[in-house]
Amino acid sequence: GQQLNQSPQSMFIQEGEDVSMNCTSSSIFNTWLWYKQEPGEGPVLLIALYKAGELTSNGRLTAQFGITRKDSFLNISASIPSDVGIYFCAGPWYGGSQGNLIFGKGTKLSVKP
Amino acid sequence: GAVVSQHPSRVICKSGTSVKIECRSLDFQATTMFWYRQFPKQSLMLMATSNEGSKATYEQGVEKDKFLINHASLTLSTLTVTSAHPEDSSFYICSARVQGSLSNQPQHFGDGTRLSIL
Repeated sequence: GQQLNQSPQSMFIQEGEDVSMNCTSSSIFNTWLWYKQEPGEGPVLLIALYKAGELTSNGRLTAQFGITRKDSFLNISASIPSDVGIYFCAGPWYGGSQGNLIFGKGTKLSVKP
Repeated sequence: GAVVSQHPSRVICKSGTSVKIECRSLDFQATTMFWYRQFPKQSLMLMATSNEGSKATYEQGVEKDKFLINHASLTLSTLTVTSAHPEDSSFYICSARVQGSLSNQPQHFGDGTRLSIL
């Protein structure tokens, strides 16, 4: 089936550093979503992207929809301890039914105070 | 807005027990809800798509008789794990999409249910 390749798998950074992660696919997606999941909780939507080339910010988070429509990037500026969690990219896949979401494997972010 | 509530948050029960998990959209109506399963340190895997008033659509490899889904109203979907066994232990998460929204619109997730079968 379709896969989203997300990298890096994990990151260990110092508080205040910037973070960058990406997601790629062999297929074109018309929507890219970025979610954050904290331990024992469900994913929370961070940013939704709907147009190739789109650059969208949500506070210290910025995400971009790649021009090829096969990739997306998420950047976090000036990280803080509460940024800790697993970040997932996701996109609706129409090979199934009703635009089911396919998820990347996640990037686990650890921030050292 | 777009709050999804999932209950219970944690279940511990004996092998052979059936367990029901509820997923409610609190401030919106959802024609479609989704059920995911997540193993430790892994991503979310879609189990089934639940449609109000009709039968659920199950992903390949998911036993529909094992995981019963009922979507009786526009705000409630339930997942029943029948005769649960230790291998069914996992984190189950539901999500919902706002009624009338396009299929590429985000899904909103519940907080998950940690199921532990002894």
